[in-house]
Amino acid sequence: DTGVSQDPRHKITKRGQNVTFRCDPISEHNRLYWYRQTLGQGPEFLTYFQNEAQLEKSRLLSDRFSAERPKGSFSTLEIQRTEQGDSAMYLCASSSPKSQGDTQYFGPGTRLLVL
Amino acid sequence: AQKITQTQPGMFVQEKEAVTLDCTYDTSDPSYGLFWYKQPSSGEMIFLIYQGSYDQQNATEGRYSLNFQKARKSANLVISASQLGDSAMYFCAMREPRGKLIFGQGTELSVKP
Repeated sequence: DTGVSQDPRHKITKRGQNVTFRCDPISEHNRLYWYRQTLGQGPEFLTYFQNEAQLEKSRLLSDRFSAERPKGSFSTLEIQRTEQGDSAMYLCASSSPKSQGDTQYFGPGTRLLVL
Repeated sequence: AQKITQTQPGMFVQEKEAVTLDCTYDTSDPSYGLFWYKQPSSGEMIFLIYQGSYDQQNATEGRYSLNFQKARKSANLVISASQLGDSAMYFCAMREPRGKLIFGQGTELSVKP
C-alpha cells in the first residue's frame, strides 16, 4: 500500500511565474485535502475534494490559486503569478471514511520558494 | 470558532523517560476527532494517534497514549520511553464536522541522550 505522493518535492521560482503541484492520494481514498504550512506554524487548510467534487475552499485560497481533481484520482494545485508570500510548504493529504476517525494521511509535501 | 492551543513551544526530555505534550481545544460541536501528528525535519506529517469525542477510553498506539479529558477540553499526548528518533515537531489537530483539520502551533520536542 503506497502512501500519498507529491511532485515536485522542491520548487524554486521567480515572482510572477506560474507553478503547478501534483498529489497522488492513497488508492481508494476518496477524500483529498490541500494544506499550506509556513515556517513555525501549523498547517492551514486550503481546499478539500470528495471524489472529483471540490467541496470546500478556504478564504486563504485567493483567485490566483486553483485546484482540480479530475476523475477523482490525482489532484493538482496551481498558483498563478506567484508572490513571495506564497513561499511555504504545500501538503496534500488523503482519507477514507472507512478508516478510523477518517484519519488523514499526508504526503511528503512540496516546498515552494518564490524569489 | 474551533481552535487548538499548544502552549509549549519547546520541550526537552531525557532518553528513555516519558514526556507529556499539552493540547487544549475549543469547539461547540458534540462530535469531533482529535489527532496527533509528528513532523520530523524532513517535513512529512506522520499520523500518530486518534481520539474520538465519544470514545470512552483513552487511545493508545504503542509508546503513544492520549490523555483525553473531555470536561477540560484537553487531549495531551504522552510518549513513554523516549527515543532519540522522537525528536521532532508535534502537532495536535481537531477534525471539523466537514472534514478539514485545524492544527495547533506545534511543540518542538528534543530528546537528550
